[in-house]
Amino acid sequence: EDKVVQSPLSLVVHEGDTVTLNCSYEVTNFRSLLWYKQEKKAPTFLFMLTSSGIEKKSGRLSSILDKKELFSILNITATQTGDSAVYLCAVEGGSGNTGKLIFGQGTTLQVKP
Amino acid sequence: DADVTQTPRNRITKTGKRIMLECSQTKGHDRMYWYRQDPGLGLQLIYYSFDVKDINKGEISDGYSVSRQAQAKFSLSLESAIPNQTALYFCATSDPGTVTGELFFGEGSRLTVL
Repeated sequence: EDKVVQSPLSLVVHEGDTVTLNCSYEVTNFRSLLWYKQEKKAPTFLFMLTSSGIEKKSGRLSSILDKKELFSILNITATQTGDSAVYLCAVEGGSGNTGKLIFGQGTTLQVKP
Repeated sequence: DADVTQTPRNRITKTGKRIMLECSQTKGHDRMYWYRQDPGLGLQLIYYSFDVKDINKGEISDGYSVSRQAQAKFSLSLESAIPNQTALYFCATSDPGTVTGELFFGEGSRLTVL
């Protein structure tokens, strides 16, 4: 059975801290791994990763994929209260070009002032 | 205006009632999806559709049905709602031609079944 597991499930830090969120997966015919940020409404897209070892960066956020060990990490440096959200990891895979994403449970990040 | 619009945004209903959640999109995407989100479980795929004539079951389709009335419209029905269908429901679209492969989500429909 295909699955995506995120850890930790929740995290509380103070502004300025650096955090690392983890996502491991077991998905047949892996095609890509995506990270989303969800505040109070719909998830918004952060990154898509398809190749091992190539870091994607956007401001204070960065992510990397290890296809050998089947995991990805999302790093947030110098955290701000606006980073408080649920971070979702999703993997596209399975048979055919379905575009279906298998989501992890999410990591709830709270950044305190 | 949002590219993916869901109605209603909030609904409270009673066990046994029929409920329809509607989704419309202006992105011109062929692919549309319905996901359900429960605390601690991430998003689970209910149904997806690649075009008007193509409907597929997702991971948790039991108790749900869908209708793809047009390229832009994809509705989700609960024929006889039950309390464990209380959840946040998201409609999403995607374009297989894009590099990122991302899903574009609606704002969500929060359903409470009493």
